[in-house]
Amino acid sequence: ETGVTQSPTHLIKTRGQQVTLRCSSQSGHNTVSWYQQALGQGPQFIFQYYREEENGRGNFPPRFSGLQFPNYSSELNVNALELDDSALYLCASSLVKGSGTGELFFGEGSRLTVL
Amino acid sequence: QQQVKQSPQSLIVQKGGISIINCAYENTAFDYFPWYQQFPGKGPALLIAIRPDVSEKKEGRFTISFNKSAKQFSLHIMDSQPGDSATYFCAASIANTGKLIFGQGTTLQVKP
Repeated sequence: ETGVTQSPTHLIKTRGQQVTLRCSSQSGHNTVSWYQQALGQGPQFIFQYYREEENGRGNFPPRFSGLQFPNYSSELNVNALELDDSALYLCASSLVKGSGTGELFFGEGSRLTVL
Repeated sequence: QQQVKQSPQSLIVQKGGISIINCAYENTAFDYFPWYQQFPGKGPALLIAIRPDVSEKKEGRFTISFNKSAKQFSLHIMDSQPGDSATYFCAASIANTGKLIFGQGTTLQVKP
């Protein structure tokens, strides 16, 4: 059984650019959630996907968007990057629709630096 | 009302001692309260979780105490070990919303 894998692990972008982060969920999991973790802070919920549809969104602007594919892998896209977007982006998969009824399994994250 | 407040920000404990981390919440609709452990360079991993219908849950050296009326919950680590040195996050959610609200984190250092 493979865990949650994320790519790339590190990347550097400049303001105004666009970035795509990828996540492969744990085998058998149909729900993927994305979190942003700024340095020294707790993770903040961006959005969740269940069976290819968005299932809840946090307080993030529309330039943060996502996709889930039929194999339950997922992408996080961020357009018009700002300096404050510099953070660790975490993907978490779970077996049930809502995190309240199932454990979230996190990947190791993608560290984004915006210059 | 959606916040989860965690304290202390950092904690230093001697090996064998008890580590205590506290969290408070406002939203009474929260009904799932997990604790996550995060090592440097790693993603958070679920340590232990509790629902508001019980006041305490113990798993090995880790115990969650839950006070529904005070809207507070805490993590106790008994016989703390250097390997427990990590950042700990409390969190809360409403079932089936898929949205965990995390506290700010507590960096624990256990001295040998």
